[in-house]
Amino acid sequence: QVQLVESGGGVVRPGRSLRLSCAASGFTFSHHAMHWVRQAPGKGLEWVAIILYDGSDKFYADSVKGRFTISRDDSKNTLYLQINSLRPEDTAVYFCVREVVVYARAALDSWGPGTLVTVSS
Amino acid sequence: DIQLTQSPSFLSASVGDRVTITCRASQGISSYLAWYQQKPGKAPKVLIYAASTLQSGVPSRFSGSGSGTEFTLTISSLQPEDFATYYCQQFKSYPITFGPGTKVDFK
Repeated sequence: QVQLVESGGGVVRPGRSLRLSCAASGFTFSHHAMHWVRQAPGKGLEWVAIILYDGSDKFYADSVKGRFTISRDDSKNTLYLQINSLRPEDTAVYFCVREVVVYARAALDSWGPGTLVTVSS
Repeated sequence: DIQLTQSPSFLSASVGDRVTITCRASQGISSYLAWYQQKPGKAPKVLIYAASTLQSGVPSRFSGSGSGTEFTLTISSLQPEDFATYYCQQFKSYPITFGPGTKVDFK
């Protein structure tokens, strides 16, 4: 079955960097666009970034553009999120999410359990 | 950017009630809309995509409708396991956006 497992979260000081990883299994990773979605404590869902199935294009939320970089390594079935210049407002659970497309309509159908990033001095 | 609003923000209901949640988009998004359910401490789960298509394995008491700028998620007969927070999401254009959520709680 589809499995997504995030890692790399932790407590980080403001201004530092962090790289999150997401190990994917149970499906053909290279066939799917992949997303990062985050959720601050007690808040709603915030979409962060997408990388297309072939890595040809990437899009970001305005709040992270220029600081976050999404990438993938299909040989390792792994998705990454490089986070630079961390801010307290980046504190959140970060979810790795698979996109499926049916009849040209998309959905985020498989989610990892999330990894918590806490930005604090 | 396309903004999504949801109403109500909070809803108190009883088992067996019919529940309707509305999602409105700041501009037309055709049927590029999905609905998710999230329970505390868990990852979200997709219920509906393409505005009205039920995701495989989701109970038929959930249904979605709408197109353009106004969408609804309906639970025909609320079950104990349905008490959760519900989010809409648009895929029409980047950045992808979520609605602020509707929490369904016990009356």
